[in-house]
Amino acid sequence: EDQVTQSPEALRLQEGESSSLNCSYTVSGLRGLFWYRQDPGKGPEFLFTLYSAGEEKEKERLKATLTKKESFLHITAPKPEDSATYLCAVPGQTGANNLFFGTGTRLTVIP
Amino acid sequence: KAGVTQTPRYLIKTRGQQVTLSCSPISGHRSVSWYQQTPGQGLQFLFEYFSETQRNKGNFPGRFSGRQFSNSRSEMNVSTLELGDSALYLCASSLDGRNQPQHFGDGTRLSIL
Repeated sequence: EDQVTQSPEALRLQEGESSSLNCSYTVSGLRGLFWYRQDPGKGPEFLFTLYSAGEEKEKERLKATLTKKESFLHITAPKPEDSATYLCAVPGQTGANNLFFGTGTRLTVIP
Repeated sequence: KAGVTQTPRYLIKTRGQQVTLSCSPISGHRSVSWYQQTPGQGLQFLFEYFSETQRNKGNFPGRFSGRQFSNSRSEMNVSTLELGDSALYLCASSLDGRNQPQHFGDGTRLSIL
C-alpha cells in the first residue's frame, strides 16, 4: 500500500536557523512528489513538483530535493512568515488523480 | 487569474441532515478533486471528476457523492450527516489531472452538531 511519512511532526526554529523537513514514501512507481504549504484556515498552497530522483527545485528560501525513497524540503535562513504546515503528497495508482498526503510538519519560526 | 473558489466557507448542520458544497475550479481546469481534512486523519481523497464523469473514488461511504457540470464546476453532497463528518472539505483543480499539481481552494468548514 502506498504510504507517505513526514518528520518531524513539529519543528521550532529561530529566525535564520536553517533546517530540513523529511518526506519518505513507499509507492510502486513514483509518478511525482508534491510539496504544499498550508496556513491555518486556508487550503494547501502548491510549492513544488519533483518527478525523478536527483531533481531539485528552489523558491526563495525553500529547496526541495528527491531521492528514490525520500524527499527533503530545505529551509535556509527562515523568517517568521515561513511558519506554516508543510505537506508532501504522492499520486495514487497509475492513471488516478488521487493524492496521498503525509500528516505534515508544523513549522514555527520564532523572531 | 482567479483561484479555486469554494462556497460556503462555513456550515453548521445537525445529525441526519444533508449538505451540498460547491467548487469553482481555475479557469481552463477540467479535473476537480475533493478531499476531507480532519486533525486525526489528515487529508483524505474523496473523489475526482473529469469531463462530468467520476474518474476516481476514495474509500468513503456512499453518503458522500458528487457531480461535475459542463463548465467544470463541481458539487459534493453528504447525506444523513454524522458527527464524524465534521471536517474541512477541500476542492482542488488541475488541467487534466494526470500527475499534475492540484491547486486547492480554502475549503468549506463543516460542523455537525
